[in-house]
Amino acid sequence: EPEVTQTPSHQVTQMGQEVILRCVPISNHLYFYWYRQILGQKVEFLVSFYNNEISEKSEIFDDQFSVERPDGSNFTLKIRSTKLEDSAMYFCASRGQGAINYGYTFGSGTRLTVV
Amino acid sequence: DAKTTQPPSMDCAEGRAANLPCNHSTISGNEYVYWYRQIHSQGPQYIIHGLKNNETNEMASLIITEDRKSSTLILPHATLRDTAVYYCIVRGNYGGSQGNLIFGKGTKLSVKP
Repeated sequence: EPEVTQTPSHQVTQMGQEVILRCVPISNHLYFYWYRQILGQKVEFLVSFYNNEISEKSEIFDDQFSVERPDGSNFTLKIRSTKLEDSAMYFCASRGQGAINYGYTFGSGTRLTVV
Repeated sequence: DAKTTQPPSMDCAEGRAANLPCNHSTISGNEYVYWYRQIHSQGPQYIIHGLKNNETNEMASLIITEDRKSSTLILPHATLRDTAVYYCIVRGNYGGSQGNLIFGKGTKLSVKP
């Protein structure tokens, strides 16, 4: 069964450093998403991406965040200057188009720890 | 904010049916009901979705009331591996739009031996 792949599985970074979280969505999917989950809290929507541009973003997705699909297969989330409160699980998801493709497929996540 | 209401937790005996309720009284005509689950800290997993008819797949059944204001997810023979947080989400399936999934707190289902 096709999977969404995320790397790394765990990233530790110092406060103020830039991090890039990587995702390989399912190959024929067209819609891409990033979510995050702070330990013990809800899964929160960050951003959606379609046709090489952001289609929607939440209040969490401020100027410190950016997304990119650099080569047609990878989908990345960059945090420019990490803060302690950015520590969370980050989930990438993708979705196809059409009546049978309304379910999102999520990756297994990247645990980001900011120290 | 999430447009659904779910009980925070439920228990179920292994091998028995697990019936997870969800209220979505403000659902609109073009919105679907989706169910996802999250096992421990893994990524959410799609289970099933429906508009107004009952749906069944290899994982579960979805029963939607006639007025569409509530639904029930049924796991017919729960196993220990079904212990997870189950999310009921209302979302529109617009032609080209995203209709993002917005997660609430869900129901923590504990399947006990």
